[in-house]
This record gives sequence, C-alpha cells and structure tokens, in this order.
Amino acid sequence: GQSLEQPSEVTAVEGAIVQINCTYQTSGFYGLSWYQQHDGGAPTFLSYNALDGLEETGRFSSFLSRSDSYGYLLLQELQMKDSASYFCAVSSLYNFNKFYFGSGTKLNVKP
Amino acid sequence: DSGVTQTPKHLITATGQRVTLRCSPRSGDLSVYWYQQSLDQGLQFLIQYYNGEERAKGNILERFSAQQFPDLHSELNLSSLELGDSALYFCASSVGGGGQEYNEQFFGPGTRLTVL
Repeated sequence: GQSLEQPSEVTAVEGAIVQINCTYQTSGFYGLSWYQQHDGGAPTFLSYNALDGLEETGRFSSFLSRSDSYGYLLLQELQMKDSASYFCAVSSLYNFNKFYFGSGTKLNVKP
Repeated sequence: DSGVTQTPKHLITATGQRVTLRCSPRSGDLSVYWYQQSLDQGLQFLIQYYNGEERAKGNILERFSAQQFPDLHSELNLSSLELGDSALYFCASSVGGGGQEYNEQFFGPGTRLTVL
C-alpha cells in the first residue's frame, strides 16, 4: 500500500522561506509531485521529481531523496497569495499516472 | 484556467439518488482521471481512462462507475448515494497516460456534491 505524511499546517511571514516535508511509504515508487490548491479551487501542478536532487522553478523548489523516502517543497520570498494547501503525491512504477496524494499542508502566510 | 471543464459546479441531492458528473478534457488530451476530495482531505484517486479504455482503478466504490466517450469527454456516475459521498469531485486530464511515462495532470474546477 501507500502512505504519505505531511504536516497539517505551517505558518510563515511574508518574505520568508518555508519548507514543507513529505515522507512516503510505497511499493514501486516512481516519482513525487507537488500540487497547490487554494480554498475550494482546482489543484495546480507545481513540480515533479523522479530523480534525487533539487528541481527549481522560480520561487519554488522541490527536493527528493529516494533512499530516505523523503521530499520537500521549498517556497522562497513568500507572498500572501501563497496561502493555500500543498499536496505531495507519489506515483508508482506500475502506473506512472496513478497518483496517491497526501492529506495536504495548509500554509498560512501572515503580513 | 486549466482548459478542463466540469459540469455541474454544484449538485445537491438526496440519499439513495443517482447523479452524473461530466468532464471535458483539454483539447488534445487523451487521458481523464477522476478524484474524490472529502472535507479537508487529500485527493483520492478513483479511476483513469485513456482514449476510451479504463487504464487504472483506485478505491472506487461499486456504486460508482465511469466511462469515456469517443469524443473523449467522461462521465462519473454515482448511485445509491449516501451522506458520506458528499465531497468535491475533480476531473483531471493529461496528454498521454496510456504507456509507461509520467504525465502532468491538469485539473478541472470540480463538482461539489452535497447529499442530504
């Protein structure tokens, strides 16, 4: 089976850096994705890691360590609009597109 | 706007009833995925269709069924509804998904189902 763990809530101030961790247990791990979801809105894709290391996309970076079954999403220069829920999702070797989502981390950005 | 459309936006119905949720994928996308998101929870994968054929199945209840039509739109049918079926139902689409390659999924705005 699959299980993912993320902190339920994180609070940070505008302009700061925040890291959202995700640990997973899965058979046949292939890759780790991150999605952002504003309240009541559609999830939007942020990043994807299949190999160990850091992927950077603007203010957002994502890291994966396959040996530690661990990844994180790093958000820099936080803005108020970054207040949202962030989900990690694993995909498996058996079906790369069958995602298992964590229960999400609610990020509160304060002025 | 992801280009994925879902109708209706909201649906209120009673226990025991049957409803149909509709999804149109982005132009050119062959895969459609259905997810259920209960209050303050993550997304639960239900089912994937690729070019009209079922490709992957999650923890989809037997009361639920889906199909993808020749024009690639998809419908999710929920029957004998229970209070616990109240949730946001999202559809996503991707270009591929029929083979062993990763595809970014683009999500629609969702259908909020309330069962009273």
